[in-house]
Amino acid sequence: QKEVEQNSGPLSVPEGAIASLNCTYSDRGSQSFFWYRQYSGKSPELIMSIYSNGDKEDGRFTAQLNKASQYVSLLIRDSQPSDSATYLCALKDSNYQLIWGAGTKLIIKP
Amino acid sequence: DGGITQSPKYLFRKEGQNVTLSCEQNLNHDAMYWYRQDPGQGLRLIYYSQIVNDFQKGDIAEGYSVSREKKESFPLTVTSAQKNPTAFYLCASSQVGEAFFGQGTRLTVV
Repeated sequence: QKEVEQNSGPLSVPEGAIASLNCTYSDRGSQSFFWYRQYSGKSPELIMSIYSNGDKEDGRFTAQLNKASQYVSLLIRDSQPSDSATYLCALKDSNYQLIWGAGTKLIIKP
Repeated sequence: DGGITQSPKYLFRKEGQNVTLSCEQNLNHDAMYWYRQDPGQGLRLIYYSQIVNDFQKGDIAEGYSVSREKKESFPLTVTSAQKNPTAFYLCASSQVGEAFFGQGTRLTVV
């Protein structure tokens, strides 16, 4: 049973549009949620952390958390070709274990 | 600068040979992790350690071994029992929240 689900993509978005990446999880006791970006051949880098319900904004990025629906999303506004990467959703579950989704490949088309 | 250092960046292993991948962190994190990533795939957990002198198997521990003699260091040995070791290996550390990654080691069997 997968604990963190992401659509593998690829998700293709025109440059300048909003990219929406989604993630669902199964453990209702999960407390901490993270979005990472991974360029091909590189290690993942943290973009956003979110711990409470609602929206959290950082520049062009907005993370959204809905614990009742067990759903976390990442919005990227004004998408740029440099945003093309694989985006990994991760969380710490009720046992404080770090659990990863398989990632969504995002392609921004100029 | 605080961070995680993996070495070497590239490693070549002959058939039947054991090799050790280094991972050092100066973030004072208690938890450390080793992941394997195959092309186009997500992260698979090999081993993790929550405290010094203690570690647990992850999902794909067969053919690998680790030690955690110091808080800063968590080396991974890829043994000859691992029949398909060619992959990208990532080390990470975390405390309460998000995980941070080293730059990875790309291992190739020759």
